[in-house]
Amino acid sequence: KAGVTQTPRYLIKTRGQQVTLSCSPISGHRSVSWYQQTPGQGLQFLFEYFSETQRNKGNFPGRFSGRQFSNSRSEMNVSTLELGDSALYLCASSLGLPSEDTQYFGPGTRLTVL
Amino acid sequence: AQTVTQSQPEMSVQEAETVTLSCTYDTSESNYYLFWYKQPPSRQMILVIRQEAYKQQNATENRFSVNFQKAAKSFSLKISDSQLGDTAMYFCAFMRTSGSRLTFGEGTQLTVNP
Repeated sequence: KAGVTQTPRYLIKTRGQQVTLSCSPISGHRSVSWYQQTPGQGLQFLFEYFSETQRNKGNFPGRFSGRQFSNSRSEMNVSTLELGDSALYLCASSLGLPSEDTQYFGPGTRLTVL
Repeated sequence: AQTVTQSQPEMSVQEAETVTLSCTYDTSESNYYLFWYKQPPSRQMILVIRQEAYKQQNATENRFSVNFQKAAKSFSLKISDSQLGDTAMYFCAFMRTSGSRLTFGEGTQLTVNP
């Protein structure tokens, strides 16, 4: 099976712009979770989508949003970018079941905000 | 809220030797999952091993094994016969069985020296 894929791998934006990141899960996985990784804050949970519905949400401002499509692919959007949004954004997919929810990660999107 | 603590920011080991990475966590949950992930310089987050809290038997995966002490809320990772390719940042992570949110520790940078 192909692994989790994320596009683009690298992105450079300026403050005030918006950005959309994409994540394609492992075939058969219905849950997609997003994480932000920074040197200062470590790995923080953004949100999780399951069957096109947001099932869990972390403590991030409303500028961070996401959605999931019927094929389980997910997008994450950040509006009005700030310098502090520079980070590695990781998505992870899983079956999303209570008995089997192991998450497998994609390679990440490195976002730089200038 | 759950917390995960990794008290060793950096560790080093000689090739072919054994090393143990420490992790403690705090939770009021009785059923949960614990994971070790590794993140090499490529930044790809890779699953190393998983442990279900209701299982008393410690998980093993080839050269990787855990020492799970539920009462002490301790979850250490032992790497036997260390290889140069084991050089990476290692993250301990917690997940409730009722949710798909991973809570990560701060990470331990492991360097395997030739």
